[in-house]
Amino acid sequence: KAGVTQTPRYLIKTRGQQVTLSCSPISGHRSVSWYQQTPGQGLQFLFEYFSETQRNKGNFPGRFSGRQFSNSRSEMNVSTLELGDSALYLCASSSAGLAGVSEQFFGPGTRLTVL
Amino acid sequence: AQTVTQSQPEMSVQEAETVTLSCTYDTSESDYYLFWYKQPPSRQMILVIRQEAYKQQNATENRFSVNFQKAAKSFSLKISDSQLGDAAMYFCAYRDYNTDKLIFGTGTRLQVFP
Repeated sequence: KAGVTQTPRYLIKTRGQQVTLSCSPISGHRSVSWYQQTPGQGLQFLFEYFSETQRNKGNFPGRFSGRQFSNSRSEMNVSTLELGDSALYLCASSSAGLAGVSEQFFGPGTRLTVL
Repeated sequence: AQTVTQSQPEMSVQEAETVTLSCTYDTSESDYYLFWYKQPPSRQMILVIRQEAYKQQNATENRFSVNFQKAAKSFSLKISDSQLGDAAMYFCAYRDYNTDKLIFGTGTRLQVFP
């Protein structure tokens, strides 16, 4: 089975621009979560989608948004980029239903640099 | 709000020795999950071990085992017979029962010396 894939792997943008990151979960997985990883703040939860519905949202400004498509692929968008948005953005997928433990598989991440 | 604390930013161990990484958490929930994730220098995060809070028995996966103390809200990871490939960042994470949202600690960088 192919793992979680994220595109692009590296991205360089300038302040004020917007960016869209993509995540393709493992086949059959319906849950996708996004995390931001920075040296200063560590790993922070952005949002979680399940069957095209946002199930959970972290404490990030409205510039950060996401969506999930019917094939479970997910995108996250960051508008009006700031220098502090430079980070590794990780996506994770799982086969989770409404409850119960299920392993989350992480993608390799997208390294976003804002200049 | 739930929090996860890892008080050891860095740890080191010699090959074949045993090392224990510490983690404490705070929650008012009774049902939840705890995890240890490993992030090698290549950055792909992988699950090492998980523990369901309702299970009293400590989880074990080969050389990796946990000491889960629910009352003390402590969840330490023991790595036995350490190998060079164990060198990585280790993150402790908490998850509520009916969500995939993970709350991570700040991580412990483990170095393994030959």
